[in-house]
Amino acid sequence: EVHLVESGGGLVQPGGSLRLSCSASGFTFSDYAMHWVRQTPGRGLEYISAISNNGDIIYYADSVKGRFTISRDNSKKTLYFQMSSLRTEDTAVYYCGTAGKYWGQGILVTVSS
Amino acid sequence: DVVLTQSPLSLPVTLGQPASISCRSSQSLVHSDGNTYLNWFQQRPGQSPRRLIYEVSNRDSGVPDRFSGSGSGTDFTLKISRVEAEDVGVYYCMQGTKWPFITFGQGTRLEIK
Repeated sequence: EVHLVESGGGLVQPGGSLRLSCSASGFTFSDYAMHWVRQTPGRGLEYISAISNNGDIIYYADSVKGRFTISRDNSKKTLYFQMSSLRTEDTAVYYCGTAGKYWGQGILVTVSS
Repeated sequence: DVVLTQSPLSLPVTLGQPASISCRSSQSLVHSDGNTYLNWFQQRPGQSPRRLIYEVSNRDSGVPDRFSGSGSGTDFTLKISRVEAEDVGVYYCMQGTKWPFITFGQGTRLEIK
């Protein structure tokens, strides 16, 4: 059975940093491009970052470019998302996933003083 | 970037009646490999996105056959033949043709009338 489990979320002050992790099991992680998508309360899905299966292609939405960094460790079957210079508008539930069949359960990041 | 426009944004439906959601793309979603990477997702309240349909018309395993997808080029449709109570949620189309420049539609909220 496939599992994607996000961790590392929580409450952080504006300007602070957090590192999200997404641990994968049940599928060949190294075969898949991976993605981060976020959702603010009552809003739609916002696609914010992607990394190819071997890490050679990386994408960021303008809303996070220069502040967030996506990476992966295929030996650990883990996806990472380093978030810095956080803003109140980054408050959201963050999902990791293949942008296809497999998605994590989501993790809440709250940026507030 | 490709813009996906869904309609309607709100869809009240009587139980047992059909429902239809349109997704129009600002560009053709036919990939150079000949495939069209247009997916449909369901997001029930408090849950992660769940893919229902991939590549326009292919149902994921475990998805009831009352869900069907159709379309080509820039115009796509998700149909539910007979709405059930468990279908309440938000439905999104998503294109992966332009990866890594993935985009989601705004979402269509289906509710029971």
